[in-house]
Amino acid sequence: EVQLVESGGGLVQPGGSLRLSCTASGFTFSSSWMTWVRQAPGKGLEWVALINQDGGGEFYLDSVQGRFFISRDNAKNSLFLQMNSVRAEDTAVYFCTGANEPGTTNYWGQGTLVTVSS
Amino acid sequence: DIVLTQSPLSLPVTLGQPASISCRSSQGLVHSDGNTYLSWFQQRPGRSPRRLIYQISNRDSGVPDRFSGSGSGTDFTLKISRVEAEDVAIYYCMQGTGWPWTFGQGTKVEIK
Repeated sequence: EVQLVESGGGLVQPGGSLRLSCTASGFTFSSSWMTWVRQAPGKGLEWVALINQDGGGEFYLDSVQGRFFISRDNAKNSLFLQMNSVRAEDTAVYFCTGANEPGTTNYWGQGTLVTVSS
Repeated sequence: DIVLTQSPLSLPVTLGQPASISCRSSQGLVHSDGNTYLSWFQQRPGRSPRRLIYQISNRDSGVPDRFSGSGSGTDFTLKISRVEAEDVAIYYCMQGTGWPWTFGQGTKVEIK
């Protein structure tokens, strides 16, 4: 059974930092594209960042470029999102997602809530 | 960025009746590798999204065959042949052809 389990969410002040983690099981993590997708309260879905299988390629949403950093540890089947200089508009549920094929995602975690507020 | 526009945004449907959701792209979605990376997701209330369809018309394992996807170029459609109570959800189209990947605004399917 495929499982993606996120952790690390919580309340953070504007300008602060947070590190999200995602642990994967039930599929070949090292062969999978991995991404972070977020959903603001009551809103739609938005891609945040994507990383390729060996971690050598990363893509970011313009609004998080230079503030957020995606990384992975294939030996530990883990995905990370380092969030720096957070803003109120970063408040959302962050989902870890993955796929073993290009241009889509078919594995989703349960999400972790990040709230940016003073 | 590629913009995906879904219609309608709200879709009341009678149980057992068909439903159709349109997704129009601001640009063609054929990738340089020849594939069209257009997927459909279902998000039930309080749940994580679940992929139903990938590359326009390929149904995921375990997805009921009442769900089907079609289209080409910039116009795509998700159809539910006979809506059941468990289909109450928000449906999103998504493109993975160009970065940033983008989602449509979502279409809320509810029972009349």
